[in-house]
Amino acid sequence: DTEVTQTPKHLVMGMTNKKSLKCEQHMGHRAMYWYKQKAKKPPELMFVYSYEKLSINESVPSRFSPECPNSSLLNLHLHALQPEDSALYLCASSQTVGQGNAYEQYFGPGTRLTVT
Amino acid sequence: AQTVTQSQPEMSVQEAETVTLSCTYDTSESDYYLFWYKQPPSRQMILVIRQEAYKQQNATENRFSVNFQKAAKSFSLKISDSQLGDAAMYFCAYRSQNRDDKIIFGKGTRLHILP
Repeated sequence: DTEVTQTPKHLVMGMTNKKSLKCEQHMGHRAMYWYKQKAKKPPELMFVYSYEKLSINESVPSRFSPECPNSSLLNLHLHALQPEDSALYLCASSQTVGQGNAYEQYFGPGTRLTVT
Repeated sequence: AQTVTQSQPEMSVQEAETVTLSCTYDTSESDYYLFWYKQPPSRQMILVIRQEAYKQQNATENRFSVNFQKAAKSFSLKISDSQLGDAAMYFCAYRSQNRDDKIIFGKGTRLHILP
């Protein structure tokens, strides 16, 4: 199984709403990532979890709150977002340097988020 | 800090022809990985090909091959016998072997396939 799944596929939320994005993988990967991608741009790294601990936070505003409940699951909690936060949110997973050879990241299909 | 540069924002190729996408990178490390990712319109990003820096042999995957020039820090992607399904945004990416788990993407090249 080389699949990363993400739910929901689409999300529309108001600026006062609280919502969560979910990501799951069953490949035994111990590194998981959240990216934000605007149209026609490369993904921008937001967070990295390594062995369920937050290892990288790319100065992301606190209205985005990541959570890694276990090695297979990654959540992104959203609160008080702004319209400019509308984007495709991608989850990815990979082996870590601690697992030996650190290869490619496997990406999920993304959640298309619209903030109104 | 490492950087990845893709100098061709868009390219077009006739179906069944061959096209080469350019990528250069900058690093002071000796051990790293290089990747080409493909992202079709409104579809999932998938890995096309990877290259370990310690390997001299260029990676190939069916119609996709790379020209890896370590000294020149160049990593181009050649697509042979282009097909309509190859139309996508292609991202070149770099990952350190020894440090944290970041990968660094280039800005991408949009490839159009002309029927």
